[in-house]
Amino acid sequence: EVQLVQSGAEVKKPGESLKISCKAFGYKFTTYWIGWVRQMPGKGLEWMGIIYPGDSDTRYSPSFQGQVIISADKSRSIAYLQWSSLKASDTAMYFCLRHGYSGRYLTNWFDPWGQGTLVTVSS
Amino acid sequence: NFMLTQPHSMSESPEKTVTISCTRNSGIIASNFVQWYQQRPGSSPTTVIYENNQRPSGVPDRFSGSIDSSSNSASLTISGLKTEDEADYYCQSYDSTNQVVFGGGTKLTVL
Repeated sequence: EVQLVQSGAEVKKPGESLKISCKAFGYKFTTYWIGWVRQMPGKGLEWMGIIYPGDSDTRYSPSFQGQVIISADKSRSIAYLQWSSLKASDTAMYFCLRHGYSGRYLTNWFDPWGQGTLVTVSS
Repeated sequence: NFMLTQPHSMSESPEKTVTISCTRNSGIIASNFVQWYQQRPGSSPTTVIYENNQRPSGVPDRFSGSIDSSSNSASLTISGLKTEDEADYYCQSYDSTNQVVFGGGTKLTVL
């Protein structure tokens, strides 16, 4: 069964760094794009960016470029989303999601999604 | 970039049919595939329609998707509404540079 399992909830202070993870099961990790989506409390879905683990080709939404880093560890089948200095406005649920098809060609359908990681940033 | 506009909320009775619209404000809706995701409270989104009108296995045929070039919009139609269909629904598309865009979401109430 194809599954994305995300790391647990985090509570951090402003200015702290954080790296959350998304471990893939049931498919060849290197041949599917993985994306990240933010959902702020009570709000909609926002696209953050995407990575192709096979060659680490990474593309960011302009809204998140320079704000986060997306990476992947091929040997462990894990994708990461990290911040160097968190802000209160980073408080949100973060989802990882896999492209629906293997290979580099994007049709931008994503399924499945991970269960989400809740990040709370508060002093 | 472009925007996808959905009604904020809709409500309908069980067994009725509801159609949720998703209007693209610039660019041609038919140029890029549209997906629809369902998000129940406390859960991750799941696909109900992909590539405009395709249903993943396991999604009942009560769910259908379409594109209307005249209004530059996509639609998700749910027929024979069930209480379990109560959820938030998001449309999603992308541009020529593969920048993904989500609609603002529609809260569907079945009562």
